Amino acid sequence: AQTVTQSQPEMSVQEAETVTLSCTYDTSENNYYLFWYKQPPSRQMILVIRQEAYKQQNATENRFSVNFQKAAKSFSLKISDSQLGDTAMYFCAFMKQGSLSGNTPLVFGKGTRLSVIA
Amino acid sequence: SAVISQKPSRDICQRGTSLTIQCQVDSQVTMMFWYRQQPGQSLTLIATANQGSEATYESGFVIDKFPISRPNLTFSTLTVSNMSPEDSSIYLCSVAPARADYGYTFGSGTRLTVV
Repeated sequence: AQTVTQSQPEMSVQEAETVTLSCTYDTSENNYYLFWYKQPPSRQMILVIRQEAYKQQNATENRFSVNFQKAAKSFSLKISDSQLGDTAMYFCAFMKQGSLSGNTPLVFGKGTRLSVIA
Repeated sequence: SAVISQKPSRDICQRGTSLTIQCQVDSQVTMMFWYRQQPGQSLTLIATANQGSEATYESGFVIDKFPISRPNLTFSTLTVSNMSPEDSSIYLCSVAPARADYGYTFGSGTRLTVV
């Protein structure tokens, strides 16, 4: 079974600064997807960024980028130029490849509560 | 990606009663997933709902407590039965995307408080 570990229950960052959230996972699969989801106080789960395990290049989405280290099973999220609207819970999630039929749900870490301070 | 309408958004219920949560998807999907998120915690999978068959429940969740219906490819309900204060949580439904690299889509969640 896959497990996802987020070792930072809470973090804070000054507005406009950069912060990195850590995530490690354990799997025997070779092909899989990794995701970061954001959950603001509205409760809506919002996809931030995704990474295919077979791609060596780290994914980037505007101010969000990841550092994917497959051998180390590490998948950290870097938020640059932090904004007040980035305040939220951030969840790292794992999905096995070959699940396009939807047979396998996401496996989530426990989350990191990020506070952006003005 | 799919859009999910989840209702109700919140409710306060008396212990011993039941609440049914609905999720309507704007496209046909094979699987729907139901999660529970206890206060300050991560998402825990309750069950996987496939149209036309019994839902598959995760360890610690039983059909008598969390009956699920999946009458068609765009709709599902989760009932929380015989509620106790320990059932106070956020409940979310989710669907898999047409392409894995799109990420799963979630409903907006139902905040349930049992008093």
